[in-house]
Amino acid sequence: EAGVTQSPTHLIKTRGQQATLRCSPISGHTSVYWYQQALGLGLQFLLWYDEGEERNRGNFPPRFSGRQFPNYSSELNVNALELEDSALYLCASSQGKRRETQYFGPGTRLLVL
Amino acid sequence: AQSVSQHNHHVILSEAASLELGCNYSYGGTVNLFWYVQYPGQHLQLLLKYFSGDPLVKGIKGFEAEFIKSKFSFNLRKPSVQWSDTAEYFCAVMPYTGGFKTIFGAGTRLFVKA
Repeated sequence: EAGVTQSPTHLIKTRGQQATLRCSPISGHTSVYWYQQALGLGLQFLLWYDEGEERNRGNFPPRFSGRQFPNYSSELNVNALELEDSALYLCASSQGKRRETQYFGPGTRLLVL
Repeated sequence: AQSVSQHNHHVILSEAASLELGCNYSYGGTVNLFWYVQYPGQHLQLLLKYFSGDPLVKGIKGFEAEFIKSKFSFNLRKPSVQWSDTAEYFCAVMPYTGGFKTIFGAGTRLFVKA
């Protein structure tokens, strides 16, 4: 069974640009979660999508947005990039809304110069 | 605000030593609890989880954790660590309310000396 996949593995942008990160969940999983793991910090919850809808959002500004497609894959968009957006962005998927284990992808490392 | 606290940022042990990593959370309601591990160069993997029932949970690779509701704790233990246990360990809490948002601790880096 294929795991959660993310692309690209690395992304280098300059301040003010936009970044798009992609995630494909495990087959059969309908929920996708996005986390930011900045250097020295734990995982910070960003967004949760289920069945194509945004279900919950962490304490991040509106320039962090995303969507989930009909095939349950997801995109995370970060607009007007700032230096402090440099981090590892992790995607996880689970089978449904409640009481389900999240399975993580390898992450996309974003560097903002 | 809900939070998860992992007591140690770094732990250094010799092989065969016993391990206990502390995890406390601040939330009064029902929760799901997890420990994840991230080995060097690999992505996060589930080590064990607690949803309900026996508060002593056994996971992979000889790890176990005990949920003590009165102490809001979910400490991770292993009787005898191996060099291959060198990794970063994350405790995570999923409250039943608040949209089932999972809150992670800052992580504990474990170094096991051969």
